[in-house]
Order: sequence, then structure tokens, then C-alpha cells
Amino acid sequence: GAVVSQHPSRVICKSGTSVKIECRSLDFQATTMFWYRQFPKKSLMLMATSNEGSKATYEQGVEKDKFLINHASLTLSTLTVTSAHPEDSSFYICSASKDRAYEQYFGPGTRLTVT
Amino acid sequence: RKEVEQDPGPFNVPEGATVAFNCTYSNSASQSFFWYRQDCRKEPKLLMSVYSSGNEDGRFTAQLNRASQYISLLIRDSKLSDSATYLCVVNRDDKIIFGKGTRLHILP
Repeated sequence: GAVVSQHPSRVICKSGTSVKIECRSLDFQATTMFWYRQFPKKSLMLMATSNEGSKATYEQGVEKDKFLINHASLTLSTLTVTSAHPEDSSFYICSASKDRAYEQYFGPGTRLTVT
Repeated sequence: RKEVEQDPGPFNVPEGATVAFNCTYSNSASQSFFWYRQDCRKEPKLLMSVYSSGNEDGRFTAQLNRASQYISLLIRDSKLSDSATYLCVVNRDDKIIFGKGTRLHILP
């Protein structure tokens, strides 16, 4: 159990457009979902934490108007990168947690390239 | 000083050997501890939660030392497939902090 899917796995978009990434917990209800980005050969950087039905909590330095997070249900969270720029190109990974023990189950990631 | 620190490695270890690495954390209020492994260009996968009493899962043993504020991961009889980056994760007050990871290469 504890499978998390992410869609799309790879996306290339033009500068100025918006991109939506979906994260789903397939076989469990996720009380909390997390969004990360990772640059090549670097560690994961937590962007925001979201609980179903409430506003996401963003980490310092992450623009909430640029990275819109919607956690519509206990199995779905979306991240929308608005007006994407080349510097937004990165590997975006979501994770989901069943409970407050904070064991996280990660999605396979979305590789975003902004041209 | 970073809140969670790991030796980045790489650790180059012959197949079959035992390897251990530590992760130190600076905040004594840290509550939960985990080891994840991440393969190149893949997402992290939970390897083990780390409990005060220590825990073992097959060839892997994790321990927590609250007095010295570190957690450790021991891998016995290492396999080629153990080659990965091992991430230490600490949870404190609803914050999740990742270490930068330790790269492990198992050599044939």
C-alpha cells in the first residue's frame, strides 16, 4: 500500500504559461501532502505543506501567488506553477502522509522544463 | 550550522561489506526521524523510521541517540543495489527537514 502518483511525469512549456501538476494518493487517504522541488545533485527543498480543505503553508521564500496549491480532497493535491520562467525548471515531487507520524510516501516526480 | 547534517560522501564500499553513516541534528526538540533512499533522478523512498529503541529491517539497522543528537544507519552485507543516496529526515513541530544526503556506491 501507500502508492502516490503524480501527473504529468514530464512537461515542457513556454515561458509565461502556467503548468498544473497533480498528486494523488491511490490507496490511502492523505491527511497531509507536501510539495518539494529538487535541483540536480541537490537535496529536496520543501515548498509547502497542505492539509485537505485548508490553505497551504508555504516555506519562507516560496511565492504563494506563483506556486498555487489546492488540496481538494484527501487523495488529491495540485500544484500550479503560474507564469512559468526558465528558472522554474526543476524536478517537482509531491509526497503524502497518512498521519502525523510523518512517514511520507513520494510520488514519482514531475520534471518541468520551461523554455 | 545546518539543522540536519550528513556527510555527503561518496562512500565507496566493496560488495558484501558493512557500511554505516550518521546524521546529526541540532534541535533537541526534534521528534521523529527517518531514513529515505533516493536513486538518481527518482523520488525518495522511505527506508525506515527510526525509534529510540533502535530498529532493524533485514540488513538495515537504524539507531537514534538523543543524548548526542544523531541517528545512524547500518547496512550489512551490502549489495550493488544498495547504491543510492541516503537521506536523513527529521520532523520537529510540524516542520520536516531533509539532510542533503549521503551518496553510497557499492563496488563489485
